[in-house]
Amino acid sequence: GEKVEQHESTLSVREGDSAVINCTYTDTASSYFPWYKQEAGKSLHFVIDIRSNVDRKQSQRLTVLLDKKAKRFSLHITATQPEDSAIYFCAASPNTNKVVFGTGTRLQVLP
Amino acid sequence: AQTIHQWPVAEIKAVGSPLSLGCTIKGKSSPNLYWYWQATGGTLQQLFYSITVGQVESVVQLNLSASRPKDDQFILSTEKLLLSHSGFYLCAWSPDWVYAEQFFGPGTRLTVL
Repeated sequence: GEKVEQHESTLSVREGDSAVINCTYTDTASSYFPWYKQEAGKSLHFVIDIRSNVDRKQSQRLTVLLDKKAKRFSLHITATQPEDSAIYFCAASPNTNKVVFGTGTRLQVLP
Repeated sequence: AQTIHQWPVAEIKAVGSPLSLGCTIKGKSSPNLYWYWQATGGTLQQLFYSITVGQVESVVQLNLSASRPKDDQFILSTEKLLLSHSGFYLCAWSPDWVYAEQFFGPGTRLTVL
């Protein structure tokens, strides 16, 4: 079955710098890649997603890149702010109702 | 606007006791519904999904079961809790089309002693 590896378990950046979180997946059938954010002790909320028919998607300070050949996708956050501090989960969907999550990256934005 | 509610907020239960967790979605008809489990400090594991009333598919076997008795309600249960059931249980919904973002409930924190 699908396996999603999230490469950075923790990431610290200075406020205003950029942050990049990298994920790889194994199943070539996966065609939907969402990202979710979890603040301490809270639930998840959706951040951004990308479908396999494109290789880049941007929403304000967030950009997702998808490299289907390498089975790799990444989340880029520019001009980081303290409120960006959270755990970020990448995920892959090998079919319409299944979602496999990565292990999470704890992003800390330092003042 | 759609709202998702989970109950209870937290539970402390004994090993071997039964469990029932609930989830209700208001403001959306025929949503796809999901149950997830998150170990403390861990990743999320999808447990079940349902695309219609009365129909539930299992993703992993963790001695848990799920039911969807109404269009807007999803129940997670077991007759006998294990220590390994401790964690954070999240219900989520997505629109009834393919590959859409999921909206998560506030979660239920379960401690099994």
